[in-house]
Amino acid sequence: DAMVIQNPRYQVTQFGKPVTLSCSQTLNHNVMYWYQQKSSQAPKLLFHYYDKDFNNEADTPDNFQSRRPNTSFCFLDIRSPGLGDAAMYLCATSRDMGGYTFGSGTRLTVV
Amino acid sequence: GIQVEQSPPDLILQEGANSTLRCNFSDSVNNLQWFHQNPWGQLINLFYIPSGTKQNGRLSATTVATERYSLLYISSSQTTDSGVYFCAVERDTGFQKLVFGTGTRLLVSP
Repeated sequence: DAMVIQNPRYQVTQFGKPVTLSCSQTLNHNVMYWYQQKSSQAPKLLFHYYDKDFNNEADTPDNFQSRRPNTSFCFLDIRSPGLGDAAMYLCATSRDMGGYTFGSGTRLTVV
Repeated sequence: GIQVEQSPPDLILQEGANSTLRCNFSDSVNNLQWFHQNPWGQLINLFYIPSGTKQNGRLSATTVATERYSLLYISSSQTTDSGVYFCAVERDTGFQKLVFGTGTRLLVSP
């Protein structure tokens, strides 16, 4: 089945230690997104790629970066994780005028 | 920016009961989706519904875009329906970026 896959499902990292989360898709969708969801809150968009064009939300901290080496893969890099970055990170894809498909998420813990 | 409000914020049902969840949005939108987030955090797309009515089994949804609201109906609820229901809208700015509502947390007890 075509899908959006996130790895790992759970990630524990140390305070200040860089961490990378990954997302892959077999849907061949041209748009990929990263959302951050903190406990009991709605998901919040961090950035998205429209093909290779990167778009950063105005309030996304500089500590967060993203890479999309090809259509299928997208990475979220957190340069120096703080305790406030502990959250569920959701990757999603869509195509022009189509609905979103979300991955199962990576739950990040910062110790 | 656009505001998306959902009601009620919390809902407790007995198994077998019916319910209606509401989503109000403050500005015109291109599209609207309903999601179910299960206890493990997975967001499942229920409906992609910019207008009109759709049905899928025990679930149905209606969006009245001109009046800026959408409704999600759950009939004969089951314990597996528990979780958080989000509506999310695509802003009418020429590009799809989902803005999520505040969510409705549903607990269905046996």
